[in-house]
Amino acid sequence: DAKTTQPPSMDCAEGRAANLPCNHSTISGNEYVYWYRQIHSQGPQYIIHGLKNNETNEMASLIITEDRKSSTLILPHATLRDTAVYYCIVRRSNYQLIWGAGTKLIIKP
Amino acid sequence: SAVISQKPSRDICQRGTSLTIQCQVDSQVTMMFWYRQQPGQSLTLIATANQGSEATYESGFVIDKFPISRPNLTFSTLTVSNMSPEDSSIYLCSVRREGEKLFFGSGTQLSVL
Repeated sequence: DAKTTQPPSMDCAEGRAANLPCNHSTISGNEYVYWYRQIHSQGPQYIIHGLKNNETNEMASLIITEDRKSSTLILPHATLRDTAVYYCIVRRSNYQLIWGAGTKLIIKP
Repeated sequence: SAVISQKPSRDICQRGTSLTIQCQVDSQVTMMFWYRQQPGQSLTLIATANQGSEATYESGFVIDKFPISRPNLTFSTLTVSNMSPEDSSIYLCSVRREGEKLFFGSGTQLSVL
C-alpha cells in the first residue's frame, strides 16, 4: 500500500516561499498525489493535485519528481493565514485516500 | 471550488441510537463519498454514494450499519446505526468536481456515550 511521509513541522517567514516535502515511495502508476490543509477543526481544504506533471494554480505549485516517489508543495508567498496543518495524500483508484501525518506549517511575521 | 454543507456539525449521542448526517452540494456532482476520521487516524473511505442505486461500500463497512441515501445529484445522507462508543469519529462527505479535484464538507464530529 502506498503511504506518505512528511516532516512533522516547519517554520517559514512571512512573504517567503514555503516548500513542504512529501515522500510517497510506494505510489503506484495510477495513483494521484493530493495536498490539503486543515485549520483548526475545519474540513480539509483542497490545495492542488497531480499525477505525473508539475502543476500550478492560484494557491500553490506542486512539483513531482520524475520517479514520482516524492513531491513538494510550494506556497510562493506565505502569509500568516497559511498557518495550518498540510497533508500530502495518495489517492487510490477507488478513491481510498492514504494520508500522511501532516506537516504543521507556522508562518512567522 | 464546491460549497458543501454538512449537518449536523457535531452531536453527542447515546449508545444504541442512530444519527443521520446530511450533505448538500451547491451544484450537481456525479461522485460523492463518505469518509470517517477516527481520533488520531487518517481518513478512511466508508462508501461511494451512487445516485439512484445502492452505495458501494469499502471493506469493513456494511449497509446495515451505515445506510446511505443519494436521492439526487446534490444531496446524500449517511446514517450511523445502533451506535457504540467505537463510532465516535469525524464523518466527512466529499465530492469530485472539475476533473479530479476532491472537495470536503466541514465534517460532523460524533461522540457516542
